Amino acid sequence: EAGVTQSPTHLIKTRGQQATLRCSPISGHTSVYWYQQALGLGLQFLLWYDEGEERNRGNFPPRFSGRQFPNYSSELNVNALELEDSALYLCASSLSSGGNNEQFFGPGTRLTVL
Amino acid sequence: GESVGLHLPTLSVQEGDNSIINCAYSNSASDYFIWYKQESGKGPQFIIDIRSNMDKRQGQRVTVLLNKTVKHLSLQIAATQPGDSAVYFCAALTGGGNKLTFGTGTQLKVEL
Repeated sequence: EAGVTQSPTHLIKTRGQQATLRCSPISGHTSVYWYQQALGLGLQFLLWYDEGEERNRGNFPPRFSGRQFPNYSSELNVNALELEDSALYLCASSLSSGGNNEQFFGPGTRLTVL
Repeated sequence: GESVGLHLPTLSVQEGDNSIINCAYSNSASDYFIWYKQESGKGPQFIIDIRSNMDKRQGQRVTVLLNKTVKHLSLQIAATQPGDSAVYFCAALTGGGNKLTFGTGTQLKVEL
């Protein structure tokens, strides 16, 4: 069974540009989560999507946004990039949102903002 | 809200010894806890979880202990191996929602 996949592996942008990160969940999983992992820090929750809807959002500015498609894959968009947005962005998926379902993580996208 | 912290940023152990990684959480309403292992260049990998109605859970070579009184949980790894070298995160879930709050992580180094 294929795990969570993310693309691209690495992404280099300059300040003010926009970045789009993609995630494909495990087959059968309907929930997708996005986390930011800055160097030396833990994972910070960004967004949770389930059944195409945004269910929860972390303490990030509105320039962090995303969506979930009918096939449950997801995009994370970061507008007006700032230097401090440089981080590893991790996507996770789980079964339906009910209950405490284990989240399976992808390998991440390393975003570097110059 | 919830904040989760780990007691030590780095833990060094000898191969074959037992490792204990500790974690504290702040929200007494947190009802589900997970330990993740993250190897360099990879995403976090689930190790073991525990619900708040339990105080101990065992897996293969790993044990998680939960002390709700002091809001503390620990991960014990028996007979630590070089392959256990990684950063370990604890995470807490509060109120049945799916938002996990992660600690900053402990780097486990296994010395031969």
